[in-house]
Amino acid sequence: DQQVKQNSPSLSVQEGRISILNCDYTNSMFDYFLWYKKYPAEGPTFLISISSIKDKNEDGRFTVFLNKSAKHLSLHIVPSQPGDSAVYFCAQGGSEKLVFGKGTKLTVNP
Amino acid sequence: DGGITQSPKYLFRKEGQNVTLSCEQNLNHDAMYWYRQDPGQGLRLIYYSQIVNDFQKGDIAEGYSVSREKKESFPLTVTSAQKNPTAFYLCASSINPGVKKLFFGSGTQLSVL
Repeated sequence: DQQVKQNSPSLSVQEGRISILNCDYTNSMFDYFLWYKKYPAEGPTFLISISSIKDKNEDGRFTVFLNKSAKHLSLHIVPSQPGDSAVYFCAQGGSEKLVFGKGTKLTVNP
Repeated sequence: DGGITQSPKYLFRKEGQNVTLSCEQNLNHDAMYWYRQDPGQGLRLIYYSQIVNDFQKGDIAEGYSVSREKKESFPLTVTSAQKNPTAFYLCASSINPGVKKLFFGSGTQLSVL
C-alpha cells in the first residue's frame, strides 16, 4: 500500500518567517518525492523534488528535507512571502503514477 | 509556448448526460494523466496513458472513459454512471512514464445542474 499523508490541513505564518510543511509516507519502496504548489482554480506547478540518495535539496528560498528512517519529508520556505500563499501538495513517485497527499493550505500574512 | 491546454474552464452537466473534457499537449510527452480534485482532498488518479492507443485505469476510474488516439490528445468523458461528478479535473503529462515529474494543465471545473 502506498499512502502519502499531510496531517496539517492549514498553516499560517508571518511574512519573513519560516514556513515548514510536513509530509509522511508509508511505502519506502518508492524513492522520489516532489512538492507542488497550487493556487485556486489553477493546475499545480512543480516546486522542488528529492530522491532518496540525498537528504536535502535546496532551490532558492525552498529546501526539502528527507528523513528516510522516519519516512518523513518537509518543505521549508525561508523567508515566507505573501505570494507563497497557496495549497502545497507532497507527492511520491510510485511504480506507474504519482501518489499525492491531501495538501496543506499555507497563508502568509503581511 | 509549450504546455497543456484544458478546455473548457467551466462545464455543466445535466442529469443523464455524458460530457467530454479536452486535454491537449504540445510538449511531445509520451505519458498523460487525468486527476480529480475534491475540496479538502488530494489529487486522485482517474486514468493514465503511457503511450498512444493504450491507457490504464487509475484509482477511481468508474464512471469515466478515455481515449488516446493521438500523442498530443487525451480526452476524458464523464459518463452518466458517475454519480458524483462535481469536481476540479486536472490533466497532466510527463516526458515518459518513468519520469514522475508531471506538468499540469489549468483544470476544468465540472458542476452538475
